[in-house]
Amino acid sequence: GAVVSQHPSWVICKSGTSVKIECRSLDFQATTMFWYRQFPKQSLMLMATSNEGSKATYEQGVEKDKFLINHASLTLSTLTVTSAHPEDSSFYICSAARQGSSYNSPLHFGNGTRLTVT
Amino acid sequence: DAKTTQPNSMESNEEEPVHLPCNHSTISGTDYIHWYRQLPSQGPEYVIHGLTSNVNNRMASLAIAEDRKSSTLILHRATLRDAAVYYCILRDVRGPVGAGSYQLTFGKGTKLSVIP
Repeated sequence: GAVVSQHPSWVICKSGTSVKIECRSLDFQATTMFWYRQFPKQSLMLMATSNEGSKATYEQGVEKDKFLINHASLTLSTLTVTSAHPEDSSFYICSAARQGSSYNSPLHFGNGTRLTVT
Repeated sequence: DAKTTQPNSMESNEEEPVHLPCNHSTISGTDYIHWYRQLPSQGPEYVIHGLTSNVNNRMASLAIAEDRKSSTLILHRATLRDAAVYYCILRDVRGPVGAGSYQLTFGKGTKLSVIP
């Protein structure tokens, strides 16, 4: 149980275009979902936290107008990278906290989306 | 979250036990010790967590020092599939003050290589 599905697993896009990444909790409802970014040989950096039905909270230095997050339901959050540029090429990973879980409960992660902007 | 310190990398021979250390000298009484691992090109996965007592599950064991200032993740028989980056993370069971976030803060972790 506790599967988080991320789609697509990889995407190549041209500079200036937008890309949408989906994160779904398949067998549980997620109160909160997180979006991370990971550059090669680096650790995961939290980009934003999204709660169902409310605006996402972005970490310092993350442009909210560039990385649009929508958390329309308890099982789906989307990250849209708008006007993508080569420097946005990275590994994007979502995670979800099960509804009703404690702060100590494990988080469940998707398998990531490799974005390459040419 | 309080800070943890891990070696950058470790090597192990296949089918031998692996002990991955983590120092957390500033741990507070309400911090749980969590371990996650990230296989190449995948998202992290939960491994184990504990507070004071040693813990065992199907994936690993967690040995926690009596003063809780350090812990060790033990893989009893390393396989090639265990090659990953292992992250030791402290989580306050009370959650962040005044907020509802369950976020995890990842350090650099330990890259474990398993030699056939």
